[in-house]
Formats: sequence, structure tokens, C-alpha cells
Amino acid sequence: DIQMTQSPSSLSASIGDRVTITCRVSEGINNYLAWFQQKPGKAPKSLIYAISSLHTGVPSRFSGSGSGSDFTLTISSLQPEDFATYYCQQYHRYPLTFGGGTKVEIK
Amino acid sequence: EVQLVESGGGLVQPGGSLRLSCEVSGFTFSSYWMNWVRQAPGKGLEWVANIKDDGGERYYVDSLKGRFTISRDNAKNSLYLQMNSLRVEDTAVYYCARDLAEAVTDYWGQGTLVTVSS
Repeated sequence: DIQMTQSPSSLSASIGDRVTITCRVSEGINNYLAWFQQKPGKAPKSLIYAISSLHTGVPSRFSGSGSGSDFTLTISSLQPEDFATYYCQQYHRYPLTFGGGTKVEIK
Repeated sequence: EVQLVESGGGLVQPGGSLRLSCEVSGFTFSSYWMNWVRQAPGKGLEWVANIKDDGGERYYVDSLKGRFTISRDNAKNSLYLQMNSLRVEDTAVYYCARDLAEAVTDYWGQGTLVTVSS
């Protein structure tokens, strides 16, 4: 299975901060990488697919980048509603696999 | 408005069976791949299975093959997950999710909790 390693596992940030989350994959995934946001007690929300394409309705402060084995999710200016856990996922090969998650907390 | 509503969760004893359902509305169900994803209490997301729009292809996480079966009824706009020989470690919230394209998930249901315990 393709392994997904996210870092950091948690971070503290303030409103307005630029936040970057990293996802490292164990082998090539041909750009088939997605990002999800999950708030406590809620279902995940799809943010990004194909490394950098935003799903409908996702604010432009979210962006994705990367290639090869290293990918990033960036929040350009953290908003109160962005405090959540973020997951990366590869969909290059079955089984689809997720990273362990990065919890973004209020500083 | 796209809606996915799971049902069928509950408390079941180890070794028991359960069938989850996901009823959808707001889109043409028969045109989309669909998934089940689960999340154990306090843990991360785990993809379980997906199924092609016409039901002709199905994929599973290896650890669940043989115990779980994904299916769909396009006439009823419904997705199913038959879970057999349940184990304590299958305790989780099970989410139904739609794919924008194969394996590109865009919409999620609210989840249904399955608790396996004696």
C-alpha cells in the first residue's frame, strides 16, 4: 500500500497566519492527491483534488502544491472557521490511503 | 442540493452482521462512483471500498475483503455496505461519499456509528 506521512501532526497558529501542512508519499502517485478538512464531530469536507484543484465553494485562501513525493496544503490567512484536522489522500492506486491527519489549533 | 444520508448503524455483538445504507438525492446517482470511508473513535480516516456507477467494478481495502461487501441499487438511489463477522476493531463512524470522478471524492454524508461490543 502507498504510505502517506503528514507533518506536523498538530500545530498552533493565530488568526491571519500562513499555515503549511506537508504530506509525503512513499512512491509516485502521478499527481493523484487530495486534501480534506474535518471539524470535531462532523463529516470530512473535500477541499482539493489533483494536487491543486479546489472543489466548488472552497475559499481561495486554500491552495495545494507539490510534486513527486512531497505535497503541501497552504492556508494563506488562517480564519476562525479553519481550525480543524486536515488529511491528505492518494488516489493513484487501490487501496486509497489517507495521511494520519494534522490538527490545526488556536494559539 | 446534494445529500447523502447514512442509516443502519448501531450496536452489534462480535461475530454479528450489519447492513448500512446510504440514500442520496440531488444528483443522478447512477452516474457516479460511490465510497464507504470509516473513522474509528479518535482516529483518522480509513477508506473501506468503492463501487463504479453501474456496479461493474468494486474495490476494497485488503484487510476487509471477504467480510464487507459494497453494493448499490440505482433504481433506489441507494448505496449499501454489508458487514459480516464484525470485530471490535470495526467500531467506527461509517461515511458514505460520492466521487466527482473515480476516486475523487467530493461530497460526504454525515456518517452512521457502528459499535461492535459484547
